[in-house]
Amino acid sequence: SQTIHQWPATLVQPVGSPLSLECTVEGTSNPNLYWYRQAAGRGLQLLFYSVGIGQISSEVPQNLSASRPQDRQFILSSKKLLLSDSGFYLCAWSVRGGGTEAFFGQGTRLTVV
Amino acid sequence: AQSVAQPEDQVNVAEGNPLTVKCTYSVSGNPYLFWYVQYPNRGLQFLLKYITGDNLVKGSYGFEAEFNKSQTSFHLKKPSALVSDSALYFCAVRDLNDYKLSFGAGTTVTVRA
Repeated sequence: SQTIHQWPATLVQPVGSPLSLECTVEGTSNPNLYWYRQAAGRGLQLLFYSVGIGQISSEVPQNLSASRPQDRQFILSSKKLLLSDSGFYLCAWSVRGGGTEAFFGQGTRLTVV
Repeated sequence: AQSVAQPEDQVNVAEGNPLTVKCTYSVSGNPYLFWYVQYPNRGLQFLLKYITGDNLVKGSYGFEAEFNKSQTSFHLKKPSALVSDSALYFCAVRDLNDYKLSFGAGTTVTVRA
C-alpha cells in the first residue's frame, strides 16, 4: 500500500533562518506531488506541484522554493524565513494522470519567531 | 481557471439529524470533484469523489455527495450525523486537463449531542 511521510511534525524557527521540509512517498511510482499551506486552520493554498523529477510549478510568488531530486521525494525550502511563513504545511501525492484523489501527509506546523 | 466555493463557514446540527455541507465549483471543462475531512492538527482525509457516472456517490463513514451539473454543485450529505463527525470539511475540484487540485475555504461542522 502507498504511504506518505512528512517531517518534522512541528518546527519553531527564528526569522531569517533557512527551512527544509521533506516529504517522501512509498508504494507508488511517478506520482504527482504537491505542497500546500494552510493558514489559521482554514483554506488550503497550493504552493507548488510537480509531475516529475526536476519539474516544479509554482503557484504563488513567495519566499519559498521546492525541489524534487528523486521520483518520490519532494522538498520545500527557504533561504530566509519570514514571520508570514508561519502556517501548517501539507504534502500530498496523487496518481499520475487526472481524475484521482490526492493523499495527504500529516502536516508540519511551522512557527517562525 | 478552476475554483471552489463553500458558502458556509460553519454548520451546526444535532446528533441524529441530517447533515449537509454545500459546495459549488467552476471549471472550464469536465470536473473531478472531491470531499475531504480534517481533524485538528492533522492532514486531510479523503471521503469521496465524483469522476463520472451516477450523480450520487457514496464514500467513507456514511457520507455521500450529489453532483448537479446544471447547478455546478457537489453537496456533501449524511443522513444521521454523529458527534464524531465534528471536523473541518473541504470540497476540491480538478479540471479534466489539469493536475492542480483546488480547494474551497472549508466548512466547520459541529454536531452537538
